Amino acid sequence: SQQGEEDPQALSIQEGENATMNCSYKTSINNLQWYRQNSGRGLVHLILIRSNEREKHSGRLRVTLDTSKKSSSLLITASRAADTASYFCAQAGNSGGSNYKLTFGKGTLLTVNP
Amino acid sequence: KAGVTQTPRYLIKTRGQQVTLSCSPISGHRSVSWYQQTPGQGLQFLFEYFSETQRNKGNFPGRFSGRQFSNSRSEMNVSTLELGDSALYLCATKGGTGHQETQYFGPGTRLLVL
Repeated sequence: SQQGEEDPQALSIQEGENATMNCSYKTSINNLQWYRQNSGRGLVHLILIRSNEREKHSGRLRVTLDTSKKSSSLLITASRAADTASYFCAQAGNSGGSNYKLTFGKGTLLTVNP
Repeated sequence: KAGVTQTPRYLIKTRGQQVTLSCSPISGHRSVSWYQQTPGQGLQFLFEYFSETQRNKGNFPGRFSGRQFSNSRSEMNVSTLELGDSALYLCATKGGTGHQETQYFGPGTRLLVL
């Protein structure tokens, strides 16, 4: 399976703390994306990092990518109760030509306690 | 722009029946991908359509099929439903063919097979 893995599977923190989630993948990528999903709803795109980038910021989010280790991390700073959700990394592989699909990890369930 | 819409939102079927799900992309988006999400297998890619052609296909049996219309709306069909087909079915759309583009997800159709 090409599916990646997120770590940890579940994370519970207090409001105001930082949350770090890790993702490992198995094949070469064009980019890696992080998505958020609230309780069985659709996914919301958070951030995309290209294979030639090492770090990217967006608001309270910071993503790092280490292609030599085939891993990425998502840091949410100053977490809020509203950040409670499942977070998924998704690798966009190079399947040739213009074809494109995302391979998702199993996700990290983040609970931010008020 | 209006977001990705999926209909119906909820569906209950019995084993052996068939079901058709619909996805209307964001205006101007020509690529539509379908994903199945289950607690056990996570998010898995079903197929992608672009300009009415299936360009990419995941590892699902032939009971799962899809199509795309000239207005980019897409349908997926599952025939001879099995209990294991109970899942959240998500469609995602994007504007072009490149791999650097964000996919926008709909809210999903939750299918329960009894």
